Amino acid sequence: NAGVTQTPKFQVLKTGQSMTLQCAQDMNHEYMSWYRQDPGMGLRLIHYSVGAGITDQGEVPNGYNVSRSTTEDFPLRLLSAAPSQTSVYFCASSYSSLGEAFFGQGTRLTVV
Amino acid sequence: TQLLEQSPQFLSIQEGENLTVYCNSSSVFSSLQWYRQEPGEGPVLLVTVVTGGEVKKLKRLTFQFGDARKDSSLHITAAQPGDTGLYLCAGAGKTGANNLFFGTGTRLTVIP
Repeated sequence: NAGVTQTPKFQVLKTGQSMTLQCAQDMNHEYMSWYRQDPGMGLRLIHYSVGAGITDQGEVPNGYNVSRSTTEDFPLRLLSAAPSQTSVYFCASSYSSLGEAFFGQGTRLTVV
Repeated sequence: TQLLEQSPQFLSIQEGENLTVYCNSSSVFSSLQWYRQEPGEGPVLLVTVVTGGEVKKLKRLTFQFGDARKDSSLHITAAQPGDTGLYLCAGAGKTGANNLFFGTGTRLTVIP
């Protein structure tokens, strides 16, 4: 099983550029989330979704947009990249509110 | 923000020693999860604790959820080099496992 697949694995952007980080899961999970991981700060929730068509903001949503048109896909869009968005981004999915969160391998983003 | 603090931040021990990692918060969580993360990978779930005072054992790992559901501990008996990694605790927010508040992490190194 592929599980949670994130693309790309690495990306370098210039300040002001926009891009979309892709996340797809093949486990038919309703719940999906995006986190960023910075040194010394653990993972912080950016946006999450409890099902297709439903999204909500997490702890650090500014500068990011999401949509959930299908159960499988949950892309994260950076509208105008800033150096402060340099981070490792993880997508996760889970089958229930008490279920295990399955994480992708991450996207390492550098904004110069 | 529901802050989760982990201690110690770094831990380096000899193979065969025992250790305890702590996860503390001022907030009450409906459930708490422990993850382990390897370099270049996403976190992988070790355990979920739900009931205050709950103790779960996973081979040489013992997890405890505080009576008030604000804190947790992870105890490893007879540590092995394969236990090396980043250990993260995460409390479930209002919608559960897709809305996780992560601790700052404990980086464990077990020296052969």
